[in-house]
Amino acid sequence: KNEVEQSPQNLTAQEGEFITINCSYSVGISALHWLQQHPGGGIVSLFMLSSGKKKHGRLIATINIQEKHSSLHITASHPRDSAVYICAVVDNTDKLIFGTGTRLQVFP
Amino acid sequence: DAEITQSPRHKITETGRQVTLACHQTWNHNNMFWYRQDLGHGLRLIHYSYGVQDTNKGEVSDGYSVSRSNTEDLPLTLESAASSQTSVYFCASSPLDRRYEQYFGPGTRLTVT
Repeated sequence: KNEVEQSPQNLTAQEGEFITINCSYSVGISALHWLQQHPGGGIVSLFMLSSGKKKHGRLIATINIQEKHSSLHITASHPRDSAVYICAVVDNTDKLIFGTGTRLQVFP
Repeated sequence: DAEITQSPRHKITETGRQVTLACHQTWNHNNMFWYRQDLGHGLRLIHYSYGVQDTNKGEVSDGYSVSRSNTEDLPLTLESAASSQTSVYFCASSPLDRRYEQYFGPGTRLTVT
């Protein structure tokens, strides 16, 4: 069993829909990253959080340390949001452990 | 602007050949990392370095080596390329006191035939 599990693996949405991607982990962590990877592109960090909630524009990330769970929400989704979203936890040695990613496609 | 670059971006090589992938960062970061990305797996750590002359093995280091002779560069060498090493390789770097705050390069797609 992977230490970081994401769901769903694939997600298709219509433009304007509210999207939720989930991440569960089984190890002790000091923080959690949400990353975005566009097709053929590099990987960029969207959020790093260790408690509570963060918001950047239409993106919201939450984390529940007790339940070992985080969610990434996209409000009013747009085709340009189409990408792979990756959850990565920071373990107790400051190394990153990555989920396998959620492929999101948003259609007009 | 500071950045992290990888070269080549695409490489096709034959089984048994030695291959070196370059990673160069101008952030002046102490920490540098190499990962591989394969379908069905999250990014997996190959090797990492916390400073000049420091190198450490990651989760999937067999068949790979690195050396760190300066702050800016961490080349990844495949000693004798195997088809199982066909993958997309990402380099990353992070500041001295924030190892987890990693900035990723654009990736190198390597195909071993």
